[in-house]
Amino acid sequence: AQSVTQPDIHITVSEGASLELRCNYSYGATPYLFWYVQSPGQGLQLLLKYFSGDTLVQGIKGFEAEFKRSQSSFNLRKPSVHWSDAAEYFCAVGATMNRDDKIIFGKGTRLHILP
Amino acid sequence: DAGVTQSPTHLIKTRGQHVTLRCSPISGHKSVSWYQQVLGQGPQFIFQYYEKEERGRGNFPDRFSARQFPNYSSELNVNALLLGDSALYLCASSWQQETQYFGPGTRLLVL
Repeated sequence: AQSVTQPDIHITVSEGASLELRCNYSYGATPYLFWYVQSPGQGLQLLLKYFSGDTLVQGIKGFEAEFKRSQSSFNLRKPSVHWSDAAEYFCAVGATMNRDDKIIFGKGTRLHILP
Repeated sequence: DAGVTQSPTHLIKTRGQHVTLRCSPISGHKSVSWYQQVLGQGPQFIFQYYEKEERGRGNFPDRFSARQFPNYSSELNVNALLLGDSALYLCASSWQQETQYFGPGTRLLVL
């Protein structure tokens, strides 16, 4: 069965520091992979996605993620975080069999930013 | 362009009642999916509709039902509400088998 693991429930970094959020997935074929961000009380905003091709994916707000098939990972990175990046981040895998495009989410990583 | 819209934004119900949540997809999108997000968890897939047909269903009881209309908008219905149904209900739309764009959600509180 497809699954997504985000091993870090909370991460705290200082403003201006670099960030890496970890994500591991389990999927039987080439996955569609996503990172979404959710601010408190809000819906989900897509940061970036990987379908195929270049394994280093650029997203919005200065985020990037790298797909590593050998490690079943899709870690999210940002070279310098801003206070406005404080939010919950969800990694997700797309299960696209039989035109069923449901998305399976990890449990999320809450990012805290120190001033 | 308007994004995915959902109504109402907030809702308070009591146990045993019924609730209907509504979603309008992005113009041109024919697929609508519903997710339940309990506090502190990631969203869980409930239903997916494509061209008015159910294409996928998550592990939810029969109290949960949905439908998609000719204009591709959708309704999620929940009968016999339980306290555990309190959650943020998210709707997402997509054009085909690809990126899903989420609405702001409907926050349901069951007392």
